Amino acid sequence: DAEITQSPRHKITETGRQVTLACHQTWNHNNMFWYRQDLGHGLRLIHYSYGVHDTNKGEVSDGYSVSRSNTEDLPLTLESAASSQTSVYFCASSEQRGGYGYTFGSGTRLTVV
Amino acid sequence: GNSVTQMEGPVTLSEEAFLTINCTYTATGYPSLFWYVQYPGEGLQLLLKATKADDKGSNKGFEATYRKETTSFHLEKGSVQVSDSAVYFCALSESGSYIPTFGRGTSLIVHP
Repeated sequence: DAEITQSPRHKITETGRQVTLACHQTWNHNNMFWYRQDLGHGLRLIHYSYGVHDTNKGEVSDGYSVSRSNTEDLPLTLESAASSQTSVYFCASSEQRGGYGYTFGSGTRLTVV
Repeated sequence: GNSVTQMEGPVTLSEEAFLTINCTYTATGYPSLFWYVQYPGEGLQLLLKATKADDKGSNKGFEATYRKETTSFHLEKGSVQVSDSAVYFCALSESGSYIPTFGRGTSLIVHP
C-alpha cells in the first residue's frame, strides 16, 4: 500500500545545530507540504513543492528550507535550530486541486534545547 | 482571504452523548469543505467532505452539511464513543488551489 512516512518520530537537538527531518511518500504525488503544529496556532504551512525542483515558502518559512530532487522526498532542514522551533512537524502530499486526497504523515516531534 | 473558525475546546462529553462542533468559514469563491480527525500521536486523516451547497458529508456516524447561507459546516454525531476522542479540524479548499485552509482544531474528550 502507498504511504507517507516521516523520520525520525522524535528528535532532541541543541540550539544552533542543523537538523533535517525526512518525508518520503510512495503515492507518486507531485505536491508535498510541510506544516508545524503548535498549541493555540493549529497547523501552519512552512514550505511546499509542486514537483521536482520546485519549492515555495509558506506562512512561517523563516529558518527553514526544503529541496525536491525527486518525486518521493521532501526533506525539511532547520538551518540553525532555535527553541521557538520546538514543535510537531507534519508532512503531507496530494495530487488533486481542491484539497482532495490530502494525506498526512504521522509527524515528527522536535525538541530544541 | 479565506479563513476557517472553529469553536474552542476542549469539548468534554459522556459516552453516547450528542456531539456538535461548530465551524464557519469565509471564502472568496465556492470552496469544498472538509473535516479531518487527528487521533493522539498520529497525523490528520480525512473524515468527510462536501463539495457544494446543501451537500451532506458522512462517515463513521459523523455528518456535516454544507450551508452556504450561513457559511457553516458543523460536525455532528448522534452518539459518541470513547474512541472518538481526538482533535477535529475543519478545512476549506478553493477548487483551483492545492492548499487547504485549516481551522485551529477542536479537541474532543469522551468519558466512559
